[in-house]
Amino acid sequence: DSGVTQTPKHLITATGQRVTLRCSPRSGDLSVYWYQQSLDQGLQFLIQYYNGEERAKGNILERFSAQQFPDLHSELNLSSLELGDSALYFCASSVEDNRNQPQHFGDGTRLSIL
Amino acid sequence: AQSVAQPEDQVNVAEGNPLTVKCTYSVSGNPYLFWYVQYPNRGLQFLLKYITGDNLVKGSYGFEAEFNKSQTSFHLKKPSALVSDSALYFCAVRDFYGGATNKLIFGTGTLLAVQP
Repeated sequence: DSGVTQTPKHLITATGQRVTLRCSPRSGDLSVYWYQQSLDQGLQFLIQYYNGEERAKGNILERFSAQQFPDLHSELNLSSLELGDSALYFCASSVEDNRNQPQHFGDGTRLSIL
Repeated sequence: AQSVAQPEDQVNVAEGNPLTVKCTYSVSGNPYLFWYVQYPNRGLQFLLKYITGDNLVKGSYGFEAEFNKSQTSFHLKKPSALVSDSALYFCAVRDFYGGATNKLIFGTGTLLAVQP
């Protein structure tokens, strides 16, 4: 058990809808990272937050947004969903924004768009 | 831009035999390299990292990796494979996004299949 909790585990919805994925980092971790894993794109970094502030952005669509709350949990919001958004979405956390620290991953949220 | 390549989609090995999963990297500056393993329907688990120091890095579950600067490689190895090692393995490199982040760039993954 990595200590990173993601909910829900599975999400099935329709095109055009909006969903929110939730992540609770390991106790004491200040950095939260979101990744998308799909068959065609592989594992892609989306966005990082550190202690409530956005730190880095990757290949994140404008329809997607995220935030990190004062209690350090994070939410990833996906809107105007398209079939191509079907993927596994992972959250990871690390102790701080430090290059030497490994990231610890949750088990992911599997999003299926019908 | 930082990148890693995993040239093999799948590696097959018999139980008890040594295994190697290959990774090459392309970075500007010093590389910060990681190996992760993913079991079905699970998240990625950290195995080991190379930051600096000894070229042979030891990690979890008996895995080790050899850093080779001249060949820009970071191959994952294990002396004796177990059936339970069968999983998807990812090599990753830290991306120097203005030096202010720890975000990772992942390879495409290598499926390791260990036959009994």
